[in-house]
Amino acid sequence: QSALTQPASVSGSRGQSITISCTGTSSDVGGYNYVSWYQQHPGKAPKLIIYNVSNRPSGVSNRFSGSKSGNTASLTISGLQAEDEGDYSCSSYTSSSTLVVFGGGTKLIVL
Amino acid sequence: QVQLQESGPGLVKPSETLSLTCTVSGDSISYSYYWGWIRQPPGKGLEWIGSIYLGPSTYYNPSLKSRVTISVDTSKNQFSLKLNSVTAADTAVYYCARDMGLEGRFDPWGRGTLVTVSS
Repeated sequence: QSALTQPASVSGSRGQSITISCTGTSSDVGGYNYVSWYQQHPGKAPKLIIYNVSNRPSGVSNRFSGSKSGNTASLTISGLQAEDEGDYSCSSYTSSSTLVVFGGGTKLIVL
Repeated sequence: QVQLQESGPGLVKPSETLSLTCTVSGDSISYSYYWGWIRQPPGKGLEWIGSIYLGPSTYYNPSLKSRVTISVDTSKNQFSLKLNSVTAADTAVYYCARDMGLEGRFDPWGRGTLVTVSS
């Protein structure tokens, strides 16, 4: 069982927006602005798309945005495209001895 | 452009030691940043194994700490993972990645290598 909780799957139609949640505790998501999001296509390595809650690395589409409220972080993808289909995982720093925790991943289906 | 590539055996017998190497190109492992290992069991989520910082300072997931060693070879611009006493539960895709500071931000990642633990 992963330390951070994500929905198993979400779906949306092309052109629409979707939001994926990542719920932790005050020891990780809620306590620090160190939440990252990763996109992973089948058989490929994860790709960083959001860091420090809402920052986008260079080259990442501005259709991806991140936010946080309390112990829950969110990834929003606007203007869904077919190539957005894949798995999305969140991570966070934690003040526990584990240091770094991940969510279980969310499968995004683009209809 | 920084690139990472994992290498090592794809099959390890139970109770033996899993050994993987990550070769870094496009950046010197001797400079700043941490360098980490993450794994993903088939159909499951990602799990941080540990990271190393030149010093060397190592940081491990407590759930694996008793079995893990991460080391670095600056002359070859490589860092390595050893996981001993493996069981079927250690079957996973193992990724190496540049760790931007023990805060859960890894960028970029290697392509990953599947390690199966089986007799």
